[in-house]
Amino acid sequence: EIVLTQSPDFQSVTPKEKVTITCRASQSIGSSLHWYQQKPDQSPKLLIKYASQSFSGVPSRFSGSGSGTDFTLTINSLEAEDAATYYCHQSSSLPYTFGQGTKLEIK
Amino acid sequence: EVQLVESGGGLVQPGGSLRLSCAASGFTVSSNYMSWVRQAPGKGLEWVSVIYSGGSTYYADSVKGRFTISRDNSKNTLYLQMNSLRAEDTAVYYCARGLMDSSGYHYWGQGTLVTVSS
Repeated sequence: EIVLTQSPDFQSVTPKEKVTITCRASQSIGSSLHWYQQKPDQSPKLLIKYASQSFSGVPSRFSGSGSGTDFTLTINSLEAEDAATYYCHQSSSLPYTFGQGTKLEIK
Repeated sequence: EVQLVESGGGLVQPGGSLRLSCAASGFTVSSNYMSWVRQAPGKGLEWVSVIYSGGSTYYADSVKGRFTISRDNSKNTLYLQMNSLRAEDTAVYYCARGLMDSSGYHYWGQGTLVTVSS
């Protein structure tokens, strides 16, 4: 099973700040890495697919990069509505897996 | 418009069974890549099972042999049959759809809560 390790687990940030969340895979997964945003009491929402492709309707301040084992989700100019937990997910190898999540708090 | 609506959750005793349903609209379940993902209270997301467009199915080790994913083309509905339920199966269960096999999950339902307790 491929283990995805996100860092940090928690981050407290101010609006307009730039945020970087990383996801490291225990073995190479190519570009089969996706990012989701989940707000309290809501279902997850796809932000980025295949490491760097933005999903339709996602604000341009969200971007993704990386391949192989190291991936990054970047949020430029953070907004208050971005307070949420962010998850990475790999679909390269069964069983598919998720990272443990990164909770973003807005100061 | 794509919609996924889960139902069937509830309180069940350890060792019991439950069948979750995910009614789809705006697309055809039979030709799509769909999964079940769960989230225990206060915890992260856990991948549970997948059914590919061609019908192949796979399961997480934690549910293998106890859960079965299936779909009913006539009802355009995805199912998760859960047997031999354990306390650790307590979670909100989401169905999710990807636009192609092995893609990310582009669409999610609202989730249904399963509580396994005596």
